[in-house]
Amino acid sequence: DAMVIQNPRYQVTQFGKPVTLSCSQTLNHNVMYWYQQKSSQAPKLLFHYYDKDFNNEADTPDNFQSRRPNTSFCFLDIRSPGLGDAAMYLCATSKHTGTSYEQYFGPGTRLTVT
Amino acid sequence: GQSLEQPSEVTAVEGAIVQINCTYQTSGFYGLSWYQQHDGGAPTFLSYNALDGLEETGRFSSFLSRSDSYGYLLLQELQMKDSASYFCALYNQGGKLIFGQGTELSVKP
Repeated sequence: DAMVIQNPRYQVTQFGKPVTLSCSQTLNHNVMYWYQQKSSQAPKLLFHYYDKDFNNEADTPDNFQSRRPNTSFCFLDIRSPGLGDAAMYLCATSKHTGTSYEQYFGPGTRLTVT
Repeated sequence: GQSLEQPSEVTAVEGAIVQINCTYQTSGFYGLSWYQQHDGGAPTFLSYNALDGLEETGRFSSFLSRSDSYGYLLLQELQMKDSASYFCALYNQGGKLIFGQGTELSVKP
């Protein structure tokens, strides 16, 4: 089945220790998104790629960066995690920006910062 | 700016009908999407309305009134498995989704 895969499902890191979260997709979609979701809150868009074009949200902290080496993979790098970065990180895809109303989400990576 | 309002929680019984309302403020509005998210799970796309009126998909229907900046999700023949959070989301001219805070639906036996 075509899908969005996120690894790991659970990640524990130490305060200030860089961490990378991974996302892959077999849907061959052009657009990939990273969202942060804290408990009982809405998913908050961090950035998205349309093909290789990177689009950062204005309020995404510099501490968060992303890479998309090819169509299938996208990575979220948190350079110096703080306690406030503990959250669920969701990766999503859409065919193209014209169909961004329908996004396909991965199961998420729950990040704990100790 | 852009904003959405939806009730934080709704409770209903099995077999009943429930309506989750969503009002929004935005410029460059394209449409309104609805997503379901079970506890600890991924959001799943339910429906999208670009035009006024009702869209029906099985037990779920979604309605949009662009003139009133208002939409709702209607769930019929409620089942226990429908207990989840439901998010309305603005699809705007930036080609992105802006999610509401979500409505937690509890279905009781």
